[in-house]
Amino acid sequence: GESVGLHLPTLSVQEGDNSIINCAYSNSASDYFIWYKQESGKGPQFIIDIRSNMDKRQGQRVTVLLNKTVKHLSLQIAATQPGDSAVYFCAESYGQNFVFGPGTRLSVLP
Amino acid sequence: DGGITQSPKYLFRKEGQNVTLSCEQNLNHDAMYWYRQDPGQGLRLIYYSQIVNDFQKGDIAEGYSVSREKKESFPLTVTSAQKNPTAFYLCASSLGGLAGGSTDTQYFGPGTRLTVL
Repeated sequence: GESVGLHLPTLSVQEGDNSIINCAYSNSASDYFIWYKQESGKGPQFIIDIRSNMDKRQGQRVTVLLNKTVKHLSLQIAATQPGDSAVYFCAESYGQNFVFGPGTRLSVLP
Repeated sequence: DGGITQSPKYLFRKEGQNVTLSCEQNLNHDAMYWYRQDPGQGLRLIYYSQIVNDFQKGDIAEGYSVSREKKESFPLTVTSAQKNPTAFYLCASSLGGLAGGSTDTQYFGPGTRLTVL
């Protein structure tokens, strides 16, 4: 498999529990944020996005929270399943620039 | 079946060789991007193109070259000048173009793993 994700912070959760993955972004001018999921050996997959004029957005089993005061983004996954095991990373966008975080590895325990 | 394809999935290069990585999209996106991914690091931008026949250097363009002769295609050449080319290479596209703004989601291909022997 790919070595992507080596040395990343790891979050281990029990199957069925909720997961919360955090991301601190760098630029207060960023106005668009995306969460991606990347499984081993594959390209990143879009999960959910949020614009800076919102502080919460919900998808299917996922919720993204944005706290602009402390430049913090979180991804909540409800009822975590084995198929959710992957590296999750956030991206912030300002102007034409995208900046990607290194990611967090989510490990789902049976 | 719309999407972004990259080929090959795995590529091996000998020292001193140039290699070209393919990226094709049929999403009718104007903007295309090449990133490099190394263990424990965020994606780093190599080159991007907002429109056909135009491309710009990203943060780590040295040792790489691109072309954008067709809207659908954005091949990346890793030249012998790139001192540490072993990495996972990701191509992305977005609706973008010159009128594109910061709300253009980037969609990624499956990646090419390049290893220098």
